[in-house]
This record gives sequence, structure tokens and C-alpha cells, in this order.
Amino acid sequence: EAGVVQSPRYKIIEKKQPVAFWCNPISGHNTLYWYRQNLGQGPELLIRYENEEAVDDSQLPKDRFSAERLKGVDSTLKIQPAELGDSAVYLCASSARQGLYGYTFGSGTRLTVV
Amino acid sequence: GENVEQHPSTLSVQEGDSAVIKCTYSDSASNYFPWYKQELGKRPQLIIDIRSNVGEKKDQRIAVTLNKTAKHFSLHITETQPEDSAVYFCAASSATDSWGKFQFGAGTQVVVTP
Repeated sequence: EAGVVQSPRYKIIEKKQPVAFWCNPISGHNTLYWYRQNLGQGPELLIRYENEEAVDDSQLPKDRFSAERLKGVDSTLKIQPAELGDSAVYLCASSARQGLYGYTFGSGTRLTVV
Repeated sequence: GENVEQHPSTLSVQEGDSAVIKCTYSDSASNYFPWYKQELGKRPQLIIDIRSNVGEKKDQRIAVTLNKTAKHFSLHITETQPEDSAVYFCAASSATDSWGKFQFGAGTQVVVTP
């Protein structure tokens, strides 16, 4: 089993530029999460998907962040335009049965906005 | 919503000693409490979890205890080894606040010195 796969691992962009992150969850996991982890802090939920439906996006800054999960498998998270404060690690996670047995996280994408 | 506090933020122990990390939560409806270990530059990995219908769970050198009345839970690591050095995050999941949405603590940096 490949686990949760994320790409790219690292991304450095200038502020005001767009950026996109990709996530492929564990096969069969219907629930997919995007978390943001700032340095020295715990992960914070941005958006949760049940299949292709975003069921919780209350903490997603919708003015600049967007996400999609077409066909209920892979997901992309986009920021446009990026700001300096967006520098963080963006973690994708997936779970079976709505997190009943915990998540499996991907390795994350470390974003640096300069 | 749920609020999770974690203490201490850093913990230094001698190899072979025990380490204890404590977390408190605010939502009495929370019923699932996982612990994650995150090594530098790596993904958070689930190491142990506990549900609200049990008071203690053990897995080799790690154990978690839950006090529902006081709304706190703790991670215990016995006979610590240098490879236990990492950041540990507690989390709580509230069934009333979007099932599967974990609220993470801020993390505890554990350093095990030989």
C-alpha cells in the first residue's frame, strides 16, 4: 500500500503567485482532509471531503483558497494569490469510515512564500 | 467547537526514564482521542488512540489514559529511547462537531538524551 501520496514535497513561490498541491489518498478511503501545519503548531483543518463532497470547509479562507476532489479520489488544493503568511506545511490525510479509526497523513508539501 | 490544550510544550528526559504528556479538552461529547508522533520533516503518524468507553490502553512501552470526568487524557512512554525523540500531538474528535474533524494540541517536543 502506497499510503497517502502528496506532491510536490517542497514549493517556493513569490507572493501573489498561485500554487497548487495534489493528494492521492489511500485506496478505498472515502474521507479526505487537508490540514495546514504552521511551524511549531499542531495541524489545523482546512477542508474535509466525503467522496467528492466538501462537508466541512468552515476554516478554508475562501477568498484565496480553493479545493476540489473530482470523482472522489484525488484532490487538489489551490492558493491564489499566495501571501507570506501562507508559508506552512500542507498535509493531506485520508481515512476510512469518517475518521473512526484515525487518519493516515501524507508527507506534506512545505510551502515557502517569499 | 472543541479546544485541546497540551502540556508541556517541551520535555527532556534521560534515556530509560518515563515521559508523560497531558492534554485537556473542552467538549464533553468528544469520544475519540488519538496520539500522533511526528519526527522532524516527516508526517504525523498515529501511535495509539483511545475511545471514551475505556480508561486506559497500552501498546508495549506506550500507554494512554483517559479521565472523562476531568476531560483530560495523557500519553505515557516508559523506558524512553533516543528514537522516541519527536514532537507528539494529542487530538480529540467530537461527534457533535463534524465527525472525523480532529482538533489537535499544539504539540510536545520530546528530547531523549542518552
